[in-house]
Amino acid sequence: NAGVTQTPKFRVLKTGQSMTLLCAQDMNHEYMYWYRQDPGMGLRLIHYSVGEGTTAKGEVPDGYNVSRLKKQNFLLGLESAAPSQTSVYFCASSETGRGNTGELFFGEGSRLTVL
Amino acid sequence: GEDVEQSLFLSVREGDSSVINCTYTDSSSTYLYWYKQEPGAGLQLLTYIFSNMDMKQDQRLTVLLNKKDKHLSLRIADTQTGDSAIYFCAESIGGYSTLTFGKGTMLLVSP
Repeated sequence: NAGVTQTPKFRVLKTGQSMTLLCAQDMNHEYMYWYRQDPGMGLRLIHYSVGEGTTAKGEVPDGYNVSRLKKQNFLLGLESAAPSQTSVYFCASSETGRGNTGELFFGEGSRLTVL
Repeated sequence: GEDVEQSLFLSVREGDSSVINCTYTDSSSTYLYWYKQEPGAGLQLLTYIFSNMDMKQDQRLTVLLNKKDKHLSLRIADTQTGDSAIYFCAESIGGYSTLTFGKGTMLLVSP
């Protein structure tokens, strides 16, 4: 199993450009998440989804949009990139229900630089 | 509110024990987790503890939970150079819909 796959792994953007990060999971998980990781800040939740067709805001949602049209995919969009969005972005997924521990399964990250 | 605090850096010698500490503020946490992040990689679950437990041991790893003080620790026995990584403490509440992570502790193991 591939687990959680993120594309692209690296991207350089100019200020004002738009782009979409794609996350795909093959574990049939209900929950999916987008985090950003910055030095000294740890991981901060951007948006998450508790099922196909649903999305919710996390701790730092401004400047990002998400969509979950298919259960296995969770897209993160930047409509007008800013240098403050330079970061490493991680997608994660998790199972739900009784007996589950809430473990998150992470992708390998997407490094985005905005010039 | 939710807040998870960790020290940022720990340096030990190979063969010593490492203890990484974490404090959290939400007393309704259901599970508490330790994740490991190696350079250039995503996070992987190392171990977890349910909130009604005080201790959990898994090979070289020992997790201690003090709910009164809202303190979680991870002890790694016989630390190896391959244990060098960033370790994140995290908590989940209720229906596990989101985890709150600490800022991470960078563990450096020297030969």
